[in-house]
Amino acid sequence: DVKVTQSSRYLVKRTGEKVFLECVQDMDHENMFWYRQDPGLGLRLIYFSYDVKMKEKGDIPEGYSVSREKKERFSLILESASTNQTSMYLCASTFGYGYTFGSGTRLTVV
Amino acid sequence: GENVEQHPSTLSVQEGDSAVIKCTYSDSASNYFPWYKQELGKGPQLIIDIRSNVGEKKDQRIAVTLNKTAKHFSLHITETQPEDSAVYFCAASYEGSGTYKYIFGTGTRLKVLA
Repeated sequence: DVKVTQSSRYLVKRTGEKVFLECVQDMDHENMFWYRQDPGLGLRLIYFSYDVKMKEKGDIPEGYSVSREKKERFSLILESASTNQTSMYLCASTFGYGYTFGSGTRLTVV
Repeated sequence: GENVEQHPSTLSVQEGDSAVIKCTYSDSASNYFPWYKQELGKGPQLIIDIRSNVGEKKDQRIAVTLNKTAKHFSLHITETQPEDSAVYFCAASYEGSGTYKYIFGTGTRLKVLA
């Protein structure tokens, strides 16, 4: 089975901190995605990557950046965390048929 | 912009009854429609999908129907069981763009009452 692993299940950070959320997949997928999940808003795309070192903005990229130095790893970076970035963050990967999601990282910014 | 509307936001059914969740998409180029189930504390998991060249697809107690003209698609769960309780998301995408971006609905929380 394809596995998408998010390094932290829960994270608490302070306002202004730089935060790294890590995601690793083990199936050589080219496409990887970062979504945030908020009640009533569903899943909103932050950034995605279709190849190493390639990235594209999604619908809500403001305040975030990403890094993909290796095919299996896609990192989401909050440059200066703010309280409105408190959310569930989901990473996903695909080779083109359905997404495989990680279990999510619940980030709280205080 | 492109969007997917999903209804209802919450749904309670008695065990053994059927549940129906409906989605409407705006981009007429969309041709792939997956459904995801998210259980508590887990990431969403693909449960069924349909492409625009078919009108219906079934997998045991789950079925999805697609009306391309109306840009509607629906998830049907028959003989519901307590383990069907979860949040369900629909999505739409255009296969052929090369990006595999999905537009997700806002989710439906299904509660199956024993």
